[in-house]
Amino acid sequence: IAGITQAPTSQILAAGRRMTLRCTQDMRHNAMYWYRQDLGLGLRLIHYSNTAGTTGKGEVPDGYSVSRANTDDFPLTLASAVPSQTSVYFCASTPGAEAYFQETQYFGPGTRLLVL
Amino acid sequence: EDQVTQSPEALRLQEGESSSLNCSYTVSGLRGLFWYRQDPGKGPEFLFTLYSAGEEKEKERLKATLTKKESFLHITAPKPEDSATYLCAVQTYTGGFKTIFGAGTRLFVKA
Repeated sequence: IAGITQAPTSQILAAGRRMTLRCTQDMRHNAMYWYRQDLGLGLRLIHYSNTAGTTGKGEVPDGYSVSRANTDDFPLTLASAVPSQTSVYFCASTPGAEAYFQETQYFGPGTRLLVL
Repeated sequence: EDQVTQSPEALRLQEGESSSLNCSYTVSGLRGLFWYRQDPGKGPEFLFTLYSAGEEKEKERLKATLTKKESFLHITAPKPEDSATYLCAVQTYTGGFKTIFGAGTRLFVKA
């Protein structure tokens, strides 16, 4: 594989259920990000990780958690899903860490989540 | 408050009909402006980065320009395969890097 993979591609989830969205990159990039994309709104940052072992909160972190145990994987967990978390979720990465000027972000194909 | 606004929301063109997409921004500490293309059901794909007012970059039928308040993505003689959503993102630095995305312009090019 080359780039970023996300799983699942799409999911219908009952409210209150726990769900983990998976993201894996094979580019050895330091920084990784989770965004949500909603109609009429720009991509909004949920959480980010500058390097393995560190994470940070973005613009809309409530209801979501992340971990970064290694360079390649950056899973996003919804502890108890609510309908307002219905969205398309994109994982992204950049080569440098946050201390450096961020160049191009590379995006995965997205996960479409519907919470009922 | 930092803000990025794209216009129009949607644009319908005939093949060969040139036009421009606008990205206006109000941010402090601009470090760069990015243009991405997003096809339906896919993630955004990088097109250009602009760093300073007056800078221009070109790629095939696309040319991006930057002023102190806005950026334009000019599309010359578009083809149906140029149909996509074009996203603008602005990166700022105020104690840490932050990237703000616009909502995008959906472009439809009819043959």
